[in-house]
Amino acid sequence: SQQGEEDPQALSIQEGENATMNCSYKTSINNLQWYRQNSGRGLVHLILIRSNEREKHSGRLRVTLDTSKKSSSLLITASRAADTASYFCATVFLTGTASKLTFGTGTRLQVTL
Amino acid sequence: GAGVSQTPSNKVTEKGKYVELRCDPISGHTALYWYRQSLGQGPEFLIYFQGTGAADDSGLPNDRFFAVRPEGSVSTLKIQRTERGDSAVYLCASSPWGTSGANVLTFGAGSRLTVL
Repeated sequence: SQQGEEDPQALSIQEGENATMNCSYKTSINNLQWYRQNSGRGLVHLILIRSNEREKHSGRLRVTLDTSKKSSSLLITASRAADTASYFCATVFLTGTASKLTFGTGTRLQVTL
Repeated sequence: GAGVSQTPSNKVTEKGKYVELRCDPISGHTALYWYRQSLGQGPEFLIYFQGTGAADDSGLPNDRFFAVRPEGSVSTLKIQRTERGDSAVYLCASSPWGTSGANVLTFGAGSRLTVL
């Protein structure tokens, strides 16, 4: 089963514009992570935000987390053609020594020149 | 190794055959995960190892699927009596387990399984 739902499913923007992707989840979490996947390749970790944090920045990436609404957003500023990929949120729930990442359905981002 | 290595990268088999997919994690990573990804979908959790033991195998779809990690490094995902619905990309990831619980995964490129 997939805990997270990304919105929109697909997004097409022009280079230089900002891209915003949203993720909603269902259960309480320890942290939430965003990953990127280029076509035909494995996933690459982008950024992690803990449940007690509200906002995190990394380069052109900005992530927010609202635990009361069980939602997160990923903002990519000044997008580039190389940002074209699928983006997934993953929620982490700790039970004892187990730490399972549950991925959402993803947002496919297309950045055109 | 420098990254997570998965072999084979592509596997085509016939319905009913047995398949093994191998994952070689980053050296020293104690946590190892298997996921399955169908076209246009997000990765679906299968099983997670902490060292040699399966800490959570709740994602294995049925008893045709089995995974081992006998020495706490390399893992093998085994699928018996393959069905066409098993066709997907099987992703492996590893992580250095930390008490903070902030498990960041490093993924391999995946093994694409096609069952004819």
